[in-house]
Amino acid sequence: DAGVIQSPRHEVTEMGQEVTLRCKPISGHNSLFWYRQTMMRGLELLIYFNNNVPIDDSGMPEDRFSAKMPNASFSTLKIQPSEPRDSAVYFCASSSMVGSGFPDTQYFGPGTRLTVL
Amino acid sequence: QQPVQSPQAVILREGEDAVINCSSSKALYSVHWYRQKHGEAPVFLMILLKGGEQKGHEKISASFNEKKQQSSLYLTASQLSYSGTYFCGTAHTQGGSEKLVFGKGTKLTVNP
Repeated sequence: DAGVIQSPRHEVTEMGQEVTLRCKPISGHNSLFWYRQTMMRGLELLIYFNNNVPIDDSGMPEDRFSAKMPNASFSTLKIQPSEPRDSAVYFCASSSMVGSGFPDTQYFGPGTRLTVL
Repeated sequence: QQPVQSPQAVILREGEDAVINCSSSKALYSVHWYRQKHGEAPVFLMILLKGGEQKGHEKISASFNEKKQQSSLYLTASQLSYSGTYFCGTAHTQGGSEKLVFGKGTKLTVNP
């Protein structure tokens, strides 16, 4: 079975440019999470969706960040305009909220390493 | 509230044991443990739920003390493959849509 798929795996861009990260969750999973990982701040949750609906975006740093999930098999995280401090590894993860609704295992994608010059 | 992990780093020789702790200032519903190897994505190890249910790994065990709002991960007879950074993620309610908050991680190095 294919796991969570993210693209691109590496992105180098210049400050001010728009960046779009993509994620395809595991088929059948109904929750999707976007994380950002840096040495200083660790693994931070940016936003998560349940059944394609954004549930909590309190981790999104500022208005430059936006995320969408138009259907159950695709999500994007967009940064516009990008800044050097956005440089990080961005992970997408998916899970299945089974039964009682507690968060089940999250399966992480390989991540996108973003460098903003 | 981000859970606090301790120690921040630990170095072992193959075959030695280690304990990694995770504590929260808020009441916990579940604790999740993940391991991340350098340059890779975090990988699920274990979930511990309030009430004692546990789901996870064969060779790694964990405890969950609801009163103290703490969890500990026990790595016994460590192997070289155990090296990596261990994260605990905490969930505080049994909501229909609950998020995890991850600690800053504990870096474990197992040497031959």
